[in-house]
Amino acid sequence: NAGVTQTPKFQVLKTGQSMTLQCAQDMNHEYMSWYRQDPGMGLRLIHYSVGAGITDQGEVPNGYNVSRSTTEDFPLRLLSAAPSQTSVYFCASSPTTGATYGYTFGSGTRLTVV
Amino acid sequence: EDQVTQSPEALRLQEGESSSLNCSYTVSGLRGLFWYRQDPGKGPEFLFTLYSAGEEKEKERLKATLTKKESFLHITAPKPEDSATYLCAVQDPGTYKYIFGTGTRLKVLA
Repeated sequence: NAGVTQTPKFQVLKTGQSMTLQCAQDMNHEYMSWYRQDPGMGLRLIHYSVGAGITDQGEVPNGYNVSRSTTEDFPLRLLSAAPSQTSVYFCASSPTTGATYGYTFGSGTRLTVV
Repeated sequence: EDQVTQSPEALRLQEGESSSLNCSYTVSGLRGLFWYRQDPGKGPEFLFTLYSAGEEKEKERLKATLTKKESFLHITAPKPEDSATYLCAVQDPGTYKYIFGTGTRLKVLA
């Protein structure tokens, strides 16, 4: 089992560029989320999905888009990168929306916008 | 508004020196309180879920407890390999969103 796979691990973007952070899980998990982690701010939820075809906004969704066309994949798109989006991004999944299980996290994507 | 506050922000312990980390929360109807461990450069790793006041869970040198307003992560006789950031989270019952605290950075000195 690969778990949650995020690519790329590192990325440098210029202001205004767009890109997609990839996230794939092979555990047949229904629930997937994207978080960003900044020093002193903790993990903040960007977008989440409770199943294929269903997505919703978290607390910091501006500047990001998501889609969930399959159970396995949950890509995060940066529409027009800004320096404020410099962060470490984590994708996470859980079997269901219930509280029984914690998240399985990916290893993260470190993004720098210059 | 749901909130999770962790204290202290950072903690340095000598090997074998037991201590506790605190996670206080406000949420309308707790579905679960979660503890995670995060090593530098890695994603958080799930440790425990607690559901109701009075519940306790243990894993090696770690024991998590829960009251109606807070949770404690007790570390007994820690070793240097316990050094990490420990994160606490709660799940909002209406939206299924997880709300994380900012974590406690633990350093255990040999």
